[in-house]
Amino acid sequence: QKEVEQNSGPLSVPEGAIASLNCTYSDRGSQSFFWYRQYSGKSPELIMSIYSNGDKEDGRFTAQLNKASQYVSLLIRDSQPSDSATYLCAVVFSGGYNKLIFGAGTRLAVHP
Amino acid sequence: DTAVSQTPKYLVTQMGNDKSIKCEQNLGHDTMYWYKQDSKKFLKIMFSYNNKELIINETVPNRFSPKSPDKAHLNLHINSLELGDSAVYFCASSPRGRAGEQFFGPGTRLTVL
Repeated sequence: QKEVEQNSGPLSVPEGAIASLNCTYSDRGSQSFFWYRQYSGKSPELIMSIYSNGDKEDGRFTAQLNKASQYVSLLIRDSQPSDSATYLCAVVFSGGYNKLIFGAGTRLAVHP
Repeated sequence: DTAVSQTPKYLVTQMGNDKSIKCEQNLGHDTMYWYKQDSKKFLKIMFSYNNKELIINETVPNRFSPKSPDKAHLNLHINSLELGDSAVYFCASSPRGRAGEQFFGPGTRLTVL
C-alpha cells in the first residue's frame, strides 16, 4: 500500500469553478498534514497545513481533514488559470524522526 | 534574498563520473533535506540532517554521500553516476520540530549521458 495516495489527474476545471483535490494516507498515527503546490519546472512551496479534524480556510483555499477515514482534501474556490500546477499532499509520519512523505501529486489545469 | 540556494542549477555529465551538488540556507533552520524527483514527478526523501547530524537515511545507493559542514549547508556527492540517477534533486530546510513546513531550493537537474 502506498503511504500517501493521490489521483494523478489531470483534473481539468473551468475558470471560476471549485477544484477538489483528494489524498489518503496509510499511517493512522499521523498528526500533521500539508499541501504543497509545484508549478512546472519550479520547486514545491507550502500552501496549507492542517492538524485537526475539520476545515481550515485561507483565502480561496480550504483544507479538510478526517483522521478516522485517513483522508485529506484541498478545495480551491474561484479557480484561476494561475492555479494550474501540481498539488502535492504531504504527511508527517509518526515513529522515529519526523519524516514528511509526499504523494505523487495531482495535476490541476484551470482553463479560461 | 534567496532563502535556500543550490548550485549548480543544471548538471550534465557522463556515466561513471563523480559530481557534487551544494546547498545553503539562510533561514536559520536546524534541519535540512535532500529529495530526488524523478521523471514521473514523484518526490522522495533521501537524507535529512538536524544540526549537522544525519537523522534520516533512506534506502539510497551508497554512491550517494551527504555532508553537512554546518547547519546552514548540506552537500550531496554522487560517485560513479548511472543513467538512473538522472532526476531533479531538491534541497530543503525546515525549522526544528516542524518537518512539514519545508522551504525548497530551486533544484538541480542532473542528466547522466
